[in-house]
Amino acid sequence: ETGVTQTPRHLVMGMTNKKSLKCEQHLGHNAMYWYKQSAKKPLELMFVYSLEERVENNSVPSRFSPECPNSSHLFLHLHTLQPEDSALYLCASSQEQANYGYTFGSGTRLTVV
Amino acid sequence: GQQLNQSPQSMFIQEGEDVSMNCTSSSIFNTWLWYKQDPGEGPVLLIALYKAGELTSNGRLTAQFGITRKDSFLNISASIPSDVGIYFCAGQGSSNTGKLIFGQGTTLQVKP
Repeated sequence: ETGVTQTPRHLVMGMTNKKSLKCEQHLGHNAMYWYKQSAKKPLELMFVYSLEERVENNSVPSRFSPECPNSSHLFLHLHTLQPEDSALYLCASSQEQANYGYTFGSGTRLTVV
Repeated sequence: GQQLNQSPQSMFIQEGEDVSMNCTSSSIFNTWLWYKQDPGEGPVLLIALYKAGELTSNGRLTAQFGITRKDSFLNISASIPSDVGIYFCAGQGSSNTGKLIFGQGTTLQVKP
């Protein structure tokens, strides 16, 4: 596979569940990102990983926990979410020190019930 | 911090019409990018601009990097129904190597 792959594409979870979103990139990039996209709202940057180290955490609630085990994989662990956390969660990757922009995955549509 | 103002927020046009949207910033950017997001998908890069004054085309799409380096516009000519989606501008400044700042998006709807 090429590009950025996100799984699952759709997820419905209860507020007491624990689930994880997965992102995988096959582009040789060294930076990865999690974005949240809610209806009628702009893209919200959640986390940035550079060379597998978290370099940015934009005041995201602790019920969202990222993990970057290597430069090709990024996870977002979810627990005790709220209905307002329902959104499209997008993963992206890029090559730092370059200016070619980000490559996005297709996203995971999350619904919290 | 750096912010981008993208306008219009939404557009509803007739098939065949031309479309124009723009982004402005209070800060200088070194790179401007335009993305399109189809419903239920992630954004896909349409055009990248690297020099002030640069005008670049991709099919029916044309984008320009403003001469002041604080703005960019995207034009779509002869719109078709598959142009529907959300268009995002993104800028990359010199102080945040690699980090993109995104506009709020322009939602385009095309009536056949």
